[in-house]
Amino acid sequence: NAGVTQTPKFQVLKTGQSMTLQCAQDMNHNSMYWYRQDPGMGLRLIYYSASEGTTDKGEVPNGYNVSRLNKREFSLRLESAAPSQTSVYFCATRGEARANVLTFGAGSRLTVL
Amino acid sequence: AQKITQTQPGMFVQEKEAVTLDCTYDTSDQSYGLFWYKQPSSGEMIFLIYQGSYDEQNATEGRYSLNFQKARKSANLVISASQLGDSAMYFCAMRAGWAAGNKLTFGGGTRVLVKP
Repeated sequence: NAGVTQTPKFQVLKTGQSMTLQCAQDMNHNSMYWYRQDPGMGLRLIYYSASEGTTDKGEVPNGYNVSRLNKREFSLRLESAAPSQTSVYFCATRGEARANVLTFGAGSRLTVL
Repeated sequence: AQKITQTQPGMFVQEKEAVTLDCTYDTSDQSYGLFWYKQPSSGEMIFLIYQGSYDEQNATEGRYSLNFQKARKSANLVISASQLGDSAMYFCAMRAGWAAGNKLTFGGGTRVLVKP
């Protein structure tokens, strides 16, 4: 099925460890986004990519890096995880046909001990 | 800076009744868009409805309608004939200005529980 696929769905890290969250889409969308959702709160934008080869910071970029590997894939890396990065991470995409709508992945739940 | 405020942290609604979820926003942009998303307990984000700042008619999508009052900067979601499956978190979000790359700013959400 067409959509946005995030891996892994769950991950537990120790403080200081690194990891990469992967996002892949098969909808041929240009724009991709990474959001985080903390308990009881709305989503906050970490980074986004308007097209292949471009990335820009969002509201809460500190502690993260991203890579837009190609049109399909947009990865989020935590170089040295901190407990404050415990959250649910969502990848989203936007296409031109429905330019106002973001399509979200199922989310990745990350716990940093 | 853009801001979205949802003042109702949670609410109960009787099955088959209508419910209104409040959302107010703040932006200095003239062109902006307002969205509502549903997040069931399974965690995914589901797009419900969109209203552009220049749209003259209030948006409707099935049982969902958006009560857009531009002067009051409010974009309330109305769910008619509530169903048990409507129990979820609901988020209001705003995109301000197309130069922003369609980045969305989200409110804190309202949890709705539909009672049988």
